[in-house]
Amino acid sequence: EIVLTQSPGTLSLSPGERATLSCRASQSVSSNYLAWYQQKPGQAPRLLIYGTSSRATGIPDRFSGSGSGTDFTLTISRLEPEDFAVYYCQQYGSSPQTFGQGTKVEIK
Amino acid sequence: EVQLVESGGGLVQPGRSLRLSCAASGFSFHDYAMHWVRQAPGKGLEWVSGISWNGGSIDYADSVKGRFTISRDNAKNSLYLQMNSLRPEDTAFYYCAKVIVTTWSGAFNIWGQGTMVTVSS
Repeated sequence: EIVLTQSPGTLSLSPGERATLSCRASQSVSSNYLAWYQQKPGQAPRLLIYGTSSRATGIPDRFSGSGSGTDFTLTISRLEPEDFAVYYCQQYGSSPQTFGQGTKVEIK
Repeated sequence: EVQLVESGGGLVQPGRSLRLSCAASGFSFHDYAMHWVRQAPGKGLEWVSGISWNGGSIDYADSVKGRFTISRDNAKNSLYLQMNSLRPEDTAFYYCAKVIVTTWSGAFNIWGQGTMVTVSS
């Protein structure tokens, strides 16, 4: 099973700042099948990025994904008030598909 | 509108059974693999099980293998999760999720609102 480790656990930033979230895999993610989700309290997760760098429908271009192999990054170029949430990475290239433990982006 | 609506959650004693349902609408349900993902209160996401468009391919997390059974009825646009021998550690919100592409594996672009399962005596 591929273990995904996200860092940092919590990111304290101000609106307008840049957020950089990391997701490291215990082994190479097949075909760079890596996704990112945003989850707010009491809501289901929302897909942001799939295939490492493709934005899902309706996702603003301030969200971008990059990486390959075992190291992946989600970048939010300028934080908007609605971006403060928990973010999860997921690999779906190998069975079982697995999620990272999450990074909370909180208002500083 | 593309939508997934789960139902069937509730409070159940350890060792008992529960069947979750997920009603799909707004897309060609029969074209897509579907999955169940759960989230214990205050915890992260855990993939539970997935089923291909025609039910020909099925997979489970080790934590539920032999106890849970996933199935689907394309005529009814519905996904199911039969949960037997429930344990307290199965307590979680259970989400059904649609794969973004018409293959077995993919990111989940549509999620239901979740249904809560509590296993406790």
